[in-house]
Amino acid sequence: GAGVSQSPSNKVTEKGKDVELRCDPISGHTALYWYRQRLGQGLEFLIYFQGNSAPDKSGLPSDRFSAERTGESVSTLTIQRTQQEDSAVYLCASSSQAGGSTGELFFGEGSRLTVL
Amino acid sequence: AQSVTQLGSHVSVSEGALVLLRCNYSSSVPPYLFWYVQYPNQGLQLLLKYTSAATLVKGINGFEAEFKKSETSFHLTKPSAHMSDAAEYFCAVGRGSSASKIIFGSGTRLSIRP
Repeated sequence: GAGVSQSPSNKVTEKGKDVELRCDPISGHTALYWYRQRLGQGLEFLIYFQGNSAPDKSGLPSDRFSAERTGESVSTLTIQRTQQEDSAVYLCASSSQAGGSTGELFFGEGSRLTVL
Repeated sequence: AQSVTQLGSHVSVSEGALVLLRCNYSSSVPPYLFWYVQYPNQGLQLLLKYTSAATLVKGINGFEAEFKKSETSFHLTKPSAHMSDAAEYFCAVGRGSSASKIIFGSGTRLSIRP
């Protein structure tokens, strides 16, 4: 597609349920990032994928959070046993190369998660 | 470890006035630095980036930022604010072996007074 696509755009779930958030990066982009943005706060780094290298998971807040990426395509962020503090907008971004060198991050519009 | 600090969670200026949004970084090596903007109900987009080619970086919509190593700063400026500049602005730094891990600051909300 033309841009980074995320689904669902909105998700309301009950505490304790599992959720899956999906990200379709721009075709050909090797790097993919997940961030969390709580209301009124900045972006919190979660995880980074670069090609076939091992992902950088250093930002995942707990073992309830996991993410996968198949090759250089779709990524899924899974949150198990959701808690109210997981409520946030989850942003995905992709880049044609390692974002910090010269690549620009292209963001999706996010998935807004509300845990009741 | 590299990180960024944005001073002021909210800045308000009059239309036509100078815009100055502050960003300081901590880094032991020359960093890659970025400013991103998030307009209301829109996704983040790159405003400008510093990759050591030039200390004064020009971005979109009349914004520019100057890399000052001595002050470890990368402040964002615009000579004359426009109502359409109202948005959230994020400073970011590239971390890691290839500066591939992008860490964002807490953001500064810019409001423009008529």
